[in-house]
Amino acid sequence: RKEVEQDPGPFNVPEGATVAFNCTYSNSASQSFFWYRQDCRKEPKLLMSVYSSGNEDGRFTAQLNRASQYISLLIRDSKLSDSATYLCVVNNRGNYGQNFVFGPGTRLSVLP
Amino acid sequence: NAGVTQTPKFQVLKTGQSMTLQCAQDMNHEYMSWYRQDPGMGLRLIHYSVGAGITDQGEVPNGYNVSRSTTEDFPLRLLSAAPSQTSVYFCASRWTSGGHEQFFGPGTRLTVL
Repeated sequence: RKEVEQDPGPFNVPEGATVAFNCTYSNSASQSFFWYRQDCRKEPKLLMSVYSSGNEDGRFTAQLNRASQYISLLIRDSKLSDSATYLCVVNNRGNYGQNFVFGPGTRLSVLP
Repeated sequence: NAGVTQTPKFQVLKTGQSMTLQCAQDMNHEYMSWYRQDPGMGLRLIHYSVGAGITDQGEVPNGYNVSRSTTEDFPLRLLSAAPSQTSVYFCASRWTSGGHEQFFGPGTRLTVL
């Protein structure tokens, strides 16, 4: 089983739609959680950190459920510019020191 | 600040050739790492360093060497390229404390024939 798993996608949604991405992680000792965004043929960039109480940044809302080892990302009022791959990332203290573990990503296409 | 820079952007090698991928950062980050990204696999950690003179292996280190003689630079060496090393390579840096954002370079697209 992969350490971080995500919805396989791709998600094709019309502009203005609300879309939710799910992520699960297997290491109960994971300490920090993030969503990164990766545009086609570009490097990943931080979208937002995820806090236990949940957090919001404009149209983006992230939730964390430590008991279920589950992370979510909700995008409201989707824009064409939201088209990208969304990577779920957890930070563990494991075999490789304190390192980030990346999920395989979920691709989103927002259609006009 | 330039952030994290990588060279070259593209490279084609023949099986058995060696080469070095360059990575530099100007943010004075202690932690630097190399990942490879393959379709459907996510980013996988190759090697990492928590400071000058200190390196360690990640999840997929075989066929790669690293060194960290300065805080700024973290080159990745392919000893004898194989087709299985065809991938996109990303260098990244951050502060050592895990709650901090990790910054990535633009990537190197490597093809091994």
